[in-house]
Amino acid sequence: EPEVTQTPSHQVTQMGQEVILRCVPISNHLYFYWYRQILGQKVEFLVSFYNNEISEKSEIFDDQFSVERPDGSNFTLKIRSTKLEDSAMYFCASSPRQGKDTQYFGPGTRLTVL
Amino acid sequence: GESVGLHLPTLSVQEGDNSIINCAYSNSASDYFIWYKQESGKGPQFIIDIRSNMDKRQGQRVTVLLNKTVKHLSLQIAATQPGDSAVYFCAENITGRRALTFGSGTRLQVQP
Repeated sequence: EPEVTQTPSHQVTQMGQEVILRCVPISNHLYFYWYRQILGQKVEFLVSFYNNEISEKSEIFDDQFSVERPDGSNFTLKIRSTKLEDSAMYFCASSPRQGKDTQYFGPGTRLTVL
Repeated sequence: GESVGLHLPTLSVQEGDNSIINCAYSNSASDYFIWYKQESGKGPQFIIDIRSNMDKRQGQRVTVLLNKTVKHLSLQIAATQPGDSAVYFCAENITGRRALTFGSGTRLQVQP
C-alpha cells in the first residue's frame, strides 16, 4: 500500500540555523500539506500546496517558512533561522484530488532546536 | 509523534469490550470529519470519515456518528483489541478550505 515517507526521522539543529524537511507524497496525489505537533499539543495545520503553489496557509506559516516541490516526487518544508519554539513533530500529508478527500499522513520528522 | 500531555483524556477498556470516543467540534461550517489514530512515534493514521450529509457511517469494526445539532462526533470501536491502544483524534474540515482542524485527542488503553 502506498505511503507518505519523510526524512529525516529526527533532525537536531542549533537555533538560528536553517533546516529542510523532506517528504515524498503518495505518487498519484495532487494536494500536499505540512502540519506540526508540538509535544503535548494538538496537530496544527501549516500549509497546503497544489499545482506548484501554496493554496492555503495558517498564521503559523510566516516568512520563516517556505515550501517547494523541487521535482516530481519530493515536497520540502524549509525553516529559516530556527527558533527554540520550532521544536515539534512535522508531518507531511497528501490527498488525491480536489474536494473533500482524506489526507494521508507520513510518520513525521522530529525537529529539535537547541 | 504522540500527544503526551498529562491533560489528555484517557479511556481504559477491557479487551473485547466496545469503546466509544467522543469529540465536540467547534465550527458549524465544518462539512467533513475524519477520525485518526496515532500510535507512539507514528503519524496520524486514517480510520474513517463522514460528510455532513450523513449521520452514521460504518467501517470494519468502527462506526462514526455525527450529530450536527450539538456539534458532536463519536467513534465506536467494536470488540476492542490491544492493537487499538493509541491516541485518537477527530479532525474537521470547513467548507471551501483544505486545512484540517484537529481536536486534542483521547488516549485509548486496552487492558488484556
